[in-house]
Amino acid sequence: GAGVSQSPRYKVAKRGQDVALRCDPISGHVSLFWYQQALGQGPEFLTYFQNEAQLDKSGLPSDRFFAERPEGSVSTLKIQRTQQEDSAVYLCASGNNEQFFGPGTRLTVL
Amino acid sequence: GQQVMQIPQYQHVQEGEDFTTYCNSSTTLSNIQWYKQRPGGHPVFLIQLVKSGEVKKQKRLTFQFGEAKKNSSLHITATQTTDVGTYFCAGRYSNYQLIWGAGTKLIIKP
Repeated sequence: GAGVSQSPRYKVAKRGQDVALRCDPISGHVSLFWYQQALGQGPEFLTYFQNEAQLDKSGLPSDRFFAERPEGSVSTLKIQRTQQEDSAVYLCASGNNEQFFGPGTRLTVL
Repeated sequence: GQQVMQIPQYQHVQEGEDFTTYCNSSTTLSNIQWYKQRPGGHPVFLIQLVKSGEVKKQKRLTFQFGEAKKNSSLHITATQTTDVGTYFCAGRYSNYQLIWGAGTKLIIKP
């Protein structure tokens, strides 16, 4: 595709519900990043993949957050037992130097 | 830990006035990137600076990287309404992770 795509664009979840956010990176990009962006803040690093290998997950806030990229292309960020503090925009970026961002998924936990 | 400080948080200017945002790191950066995020949008890559003392220009935008590779600035001459958004610097220390500043929001006074 022409750019990074993410789905869904918006997700409303009840507290305690599990959610899965999808990222389709630009074809051929080895590196994939997930970020969390709160309103009025810069992106906060969550995790990094190089192909299918998750090389850094130091930014994941808790063990309720899990990410995978099994075939080295599409990636999924899963949040289990969502809490209100998980409400944010989740951005995916791919790129081997500069980062190309998707439109983000705005997650609202009620 | 590694941190990139960015100031100011907001800057209100009249259309036609200049705008500047500054980023500072306590330790030497490998390189620094600048991104622009329009309201409701996602970060879009503007430029990367690698060399000590580097200055790059893109039309009305001038980017500088300090001699010690610890600070950087973005200056916009004669702002236009299309410049509205939040400008982020993102510093790289290792070979993949970017540490993001909090952003400077450019607001054009009506």
